[in-house]
Amino acid sequence: DQQVKQNSPSLSVQEGRISILNCDYTNSMFDYFLWYKKYPAEGPTFLISISSIKDKNEDGRFTVFLNKSAKHLSLHIVPSQPGDSAVYFCAARNTNAGKSTFGDGTTLTVKP
Amino acid sequence: AAGVIQSPRHLIKEKRETATLKCYPIPRHDTVYWYQQGPGQDPQFLISFYEKMQSDKGSIPDRFSAQQFSDYHSELNMSSLELGDSALYFCASSLSSRGASPLHFGNGTRLTVT
Repeated sequence: DQQVKQNSPSLSVQEGRISILNCDYTNSMFDYFLWYKKYPAEGPTFLISISSIKDKNEDGRFTVFLNKSAKHLSLHIVPSQPGDSAVYFCAARNTNAGKSTFGDGTTLTVKP
Repeated sequence: AAGVIQSPRHLIKEKRETATLKCYPIPRHDTVYWYQQGPGQDPQFLISFYEKMQSDKGSIPDRFSAQQFSDYHSELNMSSLELGDSALYFCASSLSSRGASPLHFGNGTRLTVT
């Protein structure tokens, strides 16, 4: 049973446009959500997070939205840059349980 | 800033051999996590340690064991290696095993079992 799903394996956008990456989860006990970015031959790098008490968190070009009723979160990147091209993983955890559960990842390609 | 250090970066072993992967967390991080990522798959949680004690256990085979030492570094020991163990093994560390603390990942150890 996959508790965190990223249904789009890939996404391609033009430089300067908005990139929207989506993530769905099933476990209602998750209360902390994170996005990681991964380049080839490197480990995932923490990007941005959101607690379940919020519905939006913004950090520069990156904004994460959380819809708890739909068990859905999304990452918006505006404006997208070629250097944003990477695999993006959504992760979720229960802050009382410790481990993070990851989605399958979405490969973002930003074209110049 | 210091990051999570994993060694070795690459490891080639034969079936039925043993392997030891090492992880050095970010200074002052007390929690270490091990993840396994197969080709085209998401990282799968194996096991975690908080203050040298096992804090969570995921899909870690019985052939694998891990521990966290007094200096907080961790080692993942893998015995009776199988072809299916070939994967990227990530170690991550965080400030605490509980609460809103993101994981910081190392660059991984690529294990190839032939």
